[in-house]
Amino acid sequence: GNSVTQMEGPVTLSEEAFLTINCTYTATGYPSLFWYVQYPGEGLQLLLKATKADDKGSNKGFEATYRKETTSFHLEKGSVQVSDSAVYFCALTVRWGGATNKLIFGTGTLLAVQP
Amino acid sequence: ETGVTQTPRHLVMGMTNKKSLKCEQHLGHNAMYWYKQSAKKPLELMFVYSLEERVENNSVPSRFSPECPNSSHLFLHLHTLQPEDSALYLCASSREAGLNTEAFFGQGTRLTVV
Repeated sequence: GNSVTQMEGPVTLSEEAFLTINCTYTATGYPSLFWYVQYPGEGLQLLLKATKADDKGSNKGFEATYRKETTSFHLEKGSVQVSDSAVYFCALTVRWGGATNKLIFGTGTLLAVQP
Repeated sequence: ETGVTQTPRHLVMGMTNKKSLKCEQHLGHNAMYWYKQSAKKPLELMFVYSLEERVENNSVPSRFSPECPNSSHLFLHLHTLQPEDSALYLCASSREAGLNTEAFFGQGTRLTVV
């Protein structure tokens, strides 16, 4: 089946530290891969995406590379800020019910950045 | 502001009550979704509407009943819920344009069943 596995949190870092949140997936076919972020009290927002193998998605200093050989899409940032504190979700899309897309999410990883 | 608005933001209801959650999108999208977000669990896709037609998801209990009167509005009707149904319910929308389509989410309705 299709699934996403991401590291459990919380991840607690000091400001300016390096961030890695691991994500691996299982999917039939060739999914697109996403990272969404959820700030406190908000819904999910797209952070970045990659649609094919070896693509690198990037936004706001965050990066993730679509690795087909390791079925991974790890999220990285070189220097985190307090404002990056949020829950991060790894996700993929597959076809479901004909032409409809289905977004499948991981459990989310809480990131807490301390000043 | 993502263009997807959910009301109410918070809802407390008894197990014998009937209530409805509302979602509205102004993005011109033709697919809308209901997700359930519970603590320490993956987001659970409940229902999908594509071009106002429902794509069945048989794993959702019948006490949850969706309605999509037009491409901009989506409702989730609730009746005789259980305490374990307490969760954040998220609405999302997207274009039907392929696997790399981005989903836009509302802020969610925090539901508490007492």
